[in-house]
Amino acid sequence: LAKTTQPISMDSYEGQEVNITCSHNNIATNDYITWYQQFPSQGPRFIIQGYKTKVTNEVASLFIPADRKSSTLSLPRVSLSDTAVYYCLVDLSGGYNKLIFGAGTRLAVHP
Amino acid sequence: GAVVSQHPSWVICKSGTSVKIECRSLDFQATTMFWYRQFPKQSLMLMATSNEGSKATYEQGVEKDKFLINHASLTLSTLTVTSAHPEDSSFYICSARNSDTGSPLHFGNGTRLTVT
Repeated sequence: LAKTTQPISMDSYEGQEVNITCSHNNIATNDYITWYQQFPSQGPRFIIQGYKTKVTNEVASLFIPADRKSSTLSLPRVSLSDTAVYYCLVDLSGGYNKLIFGAGTRLAVHP
Repeated sequence: GAVVSQHPSWVICKSGTSVKIECRSLDFQATTMFWYRQFPKQSLMLMATSNEGSKATYEQGVEKDKFLINHASLTLSTLTVTSAHPEDSSFYICSARNSDTGSPLHFGNGTRLTVT
């Protein structure tokens, strides 16, 4: 299971773009990068998943360089409600592996 | 789609009693479900993998006789905390994978257990 490394915490202000970078140096060929968001006293919520280059959905964008040893979650124009913990994980797409969570990044958005 | 329902959302029990937590995949079948525990300000810690029709696989350090897991159908897994003690108070979260598509993992909203 590939280990991921993220900043422990980040601060931002409403309306700004937030980029959270995750390193996964030992990612395997068949692994996908998956990001989850967790609010206090709630289960994690799936945000986005990608394999390479760029993936965008209605919530976020995910940038993955060619070597796939890192990835960046981009949240456009954050609001106070984006204050949460964000987890980056590598996951075998189509597979049934267990997921081991790292510490995650605690994002605080200020008015 | 891909909804995982967890019940109850919170429970308070007395020391020595047992508590059952249910995890259901509402719109997909899940041969594999996972149970996590989370303490305040900490990350999720995997407790066990629940396998439909067979025994659960427990992570190192997790007592299988204390945390009983049953995965009797493709949409339901239960976690029973037996003879609960105050140190078992935590936030328990289940998750499930769609048997047809695998990734990503979908999570329930968690159960806050308080043992008095």
